[in-house]
Amino acid sequence: DAGVTQSPTHLIKTRGQQVTLRCSPKSGHDTVSWYQQALGQGPQFIFQYYEEEERQRGNFPDRFSGHQFPNYSSELNVNALLLGDSALYLCASTLSGPYNSPLHFGNGTRLTVT
Amino acid sequence: KQEVTQIPAALSVPEGENLVLNCSFTDSAIYNLQWFRQDPGKGLTSLLLIQSSQREQTSGRLNASLDKSSGRSTLYIAASQPGDSATYLCAVEDGTSGTYKYIFGTGTRLKVLA
Repeated sequence: DAGVTQSPTHLIKTRGQQVTLRCSPKSGHDTVSWYQQALGQGPQFIFQYYEEEERQRGNFPDRFSGHQFPNYSSELNVNALLLGDSALYLCASTLSGPYNSPLHFGNGTRLTVT
Repeated sequence: KQEVTQIPAALSVPEGENLVLNCSFTDSAIYNLQWFRQDPGKGLTSLLLIQSSQREQTSGRLNASLDKSSGRSTLYIAASQPGDSATYLCAVEDGTSGTYKYIFGTGTRLKVLA
């Protein structure tokens, strides 16, 4: 049973560039959320995708955008990178509906902006 | 605005001790509470999920309790082992802004000494 997979594992970008991170949810899950985790902090909610639509969004600027594909996989795009965007980006999947399904996380993508 | 606090921030104990990690949240309007474990540089592993209508959940040496009215949860680890060393994160599924968003504490860094 494949868990949540994320790619790439590490990425180094320069200020002003754009980046795309990818996530495949756990088998059977239909909902994908993205979180940003700075060093020593808890994860911060970026947004969630369900049925290929952004269902909810956290307090992040429009430079952060995403997409969900028909196979439930998802991408996170960040434009005009800032030094402060350096963080671990985590993808989490779950099953929506009255199931109280736990969040399952991938191992994350470590983004460094120089 | 929902806020989650975890105390203590760090804990070091000898192997074999029973220990309690604390989590508090400011708004009792939550759907679920979930405890996670995070190893350095890795993603989060789900340990226990407690629905808002439940008082506790158990898995092996772990027991989590929830007192929604007082805004508290505890994670009890019995007979701690060096392999339990990790950061433990508490997260509540926020019911104040519509569901789907988990809000995390900053975690408790646990070190179990052999």
